[in-house]
Amino acid sequence: EDQVTQSPEALRLQEGESSSLNCSYTVSGLRGLFWYRQDPGKGPEFLFTLYSAGEEKEKERLKATLTKKESFLHITAPKPEDSATYLCAVQAPGTYKYIFGTGTRLKVLA
Amino acid sequence: DGGITQSPKYLFRKEGQNVTLSCEQNLNHDAMYWYRQDPGQGLRLIYYSQIVNDFQKGDIAEGYSVSREKKESFPLTVTSAQKNPTAFYLCASSAREAGSNQPQHFGDGTRLSIL
Repeated sequence: EDQVTQSPEALRLQEGESSSLNCSYTVSGLRGLFWYRQDPGKGPEFLFTLYSAGEEKEKERLKATLTKKESFLHITAPKPEDSATYLCAVQAPGTYKYIFGTGTRLKVLA
Repeated sequence: DGGITQSPKYLFRKEGQNVTLSCEQNLNHDAMYWYRQDPGQGLRLIYYSQIVNDFQKGDIAEGYSVSREKKESFPLTVTSAQKNPTAFYLCASSAREAGSNQPQHFGDGTRLSIL
């Protein structure tokens, strides 16, 4: 069964304390992996698309990497404004459906 | 600016009532989606549409209905048959370009509650 699992469920960091969020997937024939940021009461905001193992994308303090079985979202020297839920998704093979993980709730303390 | 507009932001439903959530996009995207988000459960797909006048059931379509008469619009009706409608509803769209995966773009949601 196609599945996306994110860990940890929740993460508390001190400002400046770098860490990584994990997204593991079991999908045959990955066509793309997507990272989103979601603030409370808002819709998810698109961050990155990764298409093939070894690919990396960066945006400010965030860097996403992809292997054949998982993706990491590295947060370097986070600030309180990085606090949000981070969602990972893949597209189900042969369809236009997307499979989402349950997200990681990140809290960065000043 | 292009984007997805969902309305209303908050909606209350009485027993036995159908309610309709609006979703409009000006991104010229072919594909549109409706998700339901409950705490701790992630996004669950209700319906999706790849093209005008065509749509498919997602994983939790029971008690919901949709229409896709225009490319820009994909309204969702929550019927009285949906016994647990309280949730955060998200609409999304994506381009449907052959041979490549495209990210979804989301509206800011409608929060539906039971009176």
